[in-house]
Amino acid sequence: TQLLEQSPQFLSIQEGENLTVYCNSSSVFSSLQWYRQEPGEGPVLLVTVVTGGEVKKLKRLTFQFGDARKDSSLHITAAQPGDTGLYLCAPQNSGGSNYKLTFGKGTLLTVNP
Amino acid sequence: DTGVSQDPRHKITKRGQNVTFRCDPISEHNRLYWYRQTLGQGPEFLTYFQNEAQLEKSRLLSDRFSAERPKGSFSTLEIQRTEQGDSAMYLCASSSLKGSYGYTFGSGTRLTVV
Repeated sequence: TQLLEQSPQFLSIQEGENLTVYCNSSSVFSSLQWYRQEPGEGPVLLVTVVTGGEVKKLKRLTFQFGDARKDSSLHITAAQPGDTGLYLCAPQNSGGSNYKLTFGKGTLLTVNP
Repeated sequence: DTGVSQDPRHKITKRGQNVTFRCDPISEHNRLYWYRQTLGQGPEFLTYFQNEAQLEKSRLLSDRFSAERPKGSFSTLEIQRTEQGDSAMYLCASSSLKGSYGYTFGSGTRLTVV
């Protein structure tokens, strides 16, 4: 059973600040997805990273997949109140269970104006 | 296509009653998933369909829970004899066999058992 840890669990910052959240595991993954969930809504896919060491940018969001494909980070530059939400990582394994996502507990980000 | 639709958005029921939720996935998606999410937690996998076949059920899905996907289109999740511990957000998602394997989630059904 893979252990998936997201940190920090809670993060409250001021508008304009930078932040990084982490997703760590004891297992190696074939790919990993990041989702953002706003209160009362379902999660929305932000990005999928596949290659070890891969970096993807989505406007002010930078996603990195660890070289060993066991961890990932999400960096937000100049955070805005609209970035507020629960950030979830969901690794995928190759093989028979690659259809099923297992989510971490998430990082609850609050960006204050 | 307007995405994944779930109905109802909110349901309040008395303990012991049965409830049924509906999910309409994106039409070209073969795969449909049900997840449950409680406060402070990420979504937890309940069950998965590929077309009309239910291929996996989590141990979280007790005998009181049943899910169907007739004709491989919409799906229903029924909870019989609801308990207060069933209070949660029930999320439906769909995905295609090809592509990035990303899920498209619905907005969820918030169940409160009183």
